[in-house]
Amino acid sequence: QLQLQESGPGLVKPSETLSLTCSVSGGSIGTVTYYWGWIRQPPGKGLEWIGSIYYSGRTYYNPSLKSRLTMSIDTSKKQFSLDLSSVTAADTAVYYCARQDMDTAMVTARFFDYWGQGILVTVSS
Amino acid sequence: EIVMTQSPATLSVSPGERATLSCRASQSVSSNLAWYQQKPGQAPRLVIIGASTRATGIPARFSGSGSGTEFTLTISSLQSEDFAVYYCHQYNNWPPEYTFGQGTKLEIK
Repeated sequence: QLQLQESGPGLVKPSETLSLTCSVSGGSIGTVTYYWGWIRQPPGKGLEWIGSIYYSGRTYYNPSLKSRLTMSIDTSKKQFSLDLSSVTAADTAVYYCARQDMDTAMVTARFFDYWGQGILVTVSS
Repeated sequence: EIVMTQSPATLSVSPGERATLSCRASQSVSSNLAWYQQKPGQAPRLVIIGASTRATGIPARFSGSGSGTEFTLTISSLQSEDFAVYYCHQYNNWPPEYTFGQGTKLEIK
């Protein structure tokens, strides 16, 4: 059974960088048939896609976050990571990592089929 | 950006009855639409893919329909465990700009 687990600080100061890691167990992260993504959810609000990364390191970012976002992947450690710089209170949210199914015929990523439990990150001084 | 609009924001239905949730896209997403269920304090759970295919382990009382810009999630004979927030998600763009609806809260009447 595939499992994903987010880790990182629960509190980040304004203007600093939010860094999270997702550890994957029960399956391979270096497969050609999946992307790996981050989604966030501000308290009491809806879901927002942050970005997705392929095992090769290819990334796709939400245009609204692109200037502050860096994602990376380490297949040997079965981990992928998120760095979001210059955070403000608006970045306070539960951050989820998830596996993203891929349409291998079209070479496009699709829906999120496995999710981590989420980690609450609060931006506050 | 494709905007996904869900209605209603809250739906009150009695157990055993049918619930119909709607999702509208600001432009065509073909059948590239998923539905997720989220319970308080939990991660979203995939329910429907490709607008109409149940995800693995999802009961047959869940069904999805639609294509283009109009989509529906129907839950027949509601069970207590079905009361949750439901989100639609379009994955039509490439390069991707995935977007979610704002959610419909399905509550017990």
